[in-house]
Amino acid sequence: AQSVTQLDSHVSVSEGTPVLLRCNYSSSYSPSLFWYVQHPNKGLQLLLKYTSAATLVKGINGFEAEFKKSETSFHLTKPSAHMSDAAEYFCVVSAHNAGNNRKLIWGLGTSLAVNP
Amino acid sequence: ETGVTQSPTHLIKTRGQQVTLRCSSQSGHNTVSWYQQALGQGPQFIFQYYREEENGRGNFPPRFSGLQFPNYSSELNVNALELDDSALYLCASRPWGAGGELFFGEGSRLTVL
Repeated sequence: AQSVTQLDSHVSVSEGTPVLLRCNYSSSYSPSLFWYVQHPNKGLQLLLKYTSAATLVKGINGFEAEFKKSETSFHLTKPSAHMSDAAEYFCVVSAHNAGNNRKLIWGLGTSLAVNP
Repeated sequence: ETGVTQSPTHLIKTRGQQVTLRCSSQSGHNTVSWYQQALGQGPQFIFQYYREEENGRGNFPPRFSGLQFPNYSSELNVNALELDDSALYLCASRPWGAGGELFFGEGSRLTVL
C-alpha cells in the first residue's frame, strides 16, 4: 500500500532563511513523487516531480527536493525564503491502479508562513 | 495553450438543492479528475473520467456524479446538497497514462447554507 506523511502541518521561517518541508512516503513500487503548491484561494500548481531519474530534482521558484530511498523521504527545500513563498504545500505519491491508471495519494499539507 | 478553466468561480446554494460545476480541460488532455477541498484540508479525490466514462472513484456517495464530453470537458453534479458539501471543488486534467502531473483549474467555491 502507498501512503504519504507530511511531518509538519505548519512551518514558519523568516524571509531570506532556508526552507525545509518534510515528506515521508511508503510505496510497494518505485514511486513517482510530487510537490504541489497552493496559494490562498488558488488552484494547485506543480512545483517539481521525481520519476526515477536524478534523485535531486529542481523545480520552479528555486525549490528542489531530494529522493532518498533509504530514508523513504522526499523533503522540499529552498535556500532562501521569499514572502511570495507563503502558501500550502502538498507532497503526493503516485501509484499504479489496474489498467495503468495512476492513483495520487496526497499528504495533508504543510502551511508555510514567511515572516518579514 | 489554454489551461484548465472552471465555472462558476463562486456559488451559494441551500441544503437539498442540486449543483453543476463545469471544467474545460487543458488542450490535448483527455483525462479529467475532480477533487473536493474543504477549508484547511488537502484535496480529496472524487472521481476521474477518461473516454467519457468514470475511471476511478474516491470515497464519495452516489449523489456525486459526473460527465465527460467528447471534447474532454467535464461536469460535476452534486444532488441533495448538505452543509458539509461546502468546499472548493478542483478540476484537474492530464493525458491518459502520463505520470501524476496534474494541471489544475482555480476551482469553484461552493457554499451550502
